[in-house]
Amino acid sequence: QQQVKQSPQSLIVQKGGIPIINCAYENTAFDYFPWYQQFPGKGPALLIAIRPDVSEKKEGRFTISFNKSAKQFSLHIMDSQPGDSATYFCAASRIWGGATNKLIFGTGTLLAVQP
Amino acid sequence: AAGVIQSPRHLIKEKRETATLKCYPIPRHDTVYWYQQGPGQDPQFLISFYEKMQSDKGSIPDRFSAQQFSDYHSELNMSSLELGDSALYFCASSPDPNTYEQYFGPGTRLTVT
Repeated sequence: QQQVKQSPQSLIVQKGGIPIINCAYENTAFDYFPWYQQFPGKGPALLIAIRPDVSEKKEGRFTISFNKSAKQFSLHIMDSQPGDSATYFCAASRIWGGATNKLIFGTGTLLAVQP
Repeated sequence: AAGVIQSPRHLIKEKRETATLKCYPIPRHDTVYWYQQGPGQDPQFLISFYEKMQSDKGSIPDRFSAQQFSDYHSELNMSSLELGDSALYFCASSPDPNTYEQYFGPGTRLTVT
């Protein structure tokens, strides 16, 4: 059972376009929602993250929109560049009653930005 | 800035052999997580440590064990390897368990033949 559902599975945009990747979750106990960027053969790199007390967060060309009532959040990449071509994972986490915050990942979106 | 270090980067083993993966967290990070990522899959949580104690356990086979040492580095030991264990294994570290941010290493690609 996928606790965090991500769509689309793949996405192709032209340079300068604004790709949007969506995620949905079920567990209302989640209170931290990061996005990771992963290039082939590399480790996931933390891109941007949001807590549920805000509806939007922007860092550079990356924006997270968060809809708590719908239990959905999305990543927008402004002025996308070919160098943004990578796999993007959303994730969710909470204090799991123990001492760590394991990440639950979505299934990933393969983004290709064409020149 | 210092990052998470993992070794080896690539490992080829045969079925039923044993493998040991090492992780060196970012300095002053005392919380370590291990994740397994199969081909085309999302990372799956295996196990985590805080202050050298196991703090959480995910879908980790009984054939796998792990520990965190006094210098905070961690090792993942995998025995009786199976073809299905072929995957990327990532270590991530965090300054403390109450900090959500996790920083991933470059991973170890394990191939079981």
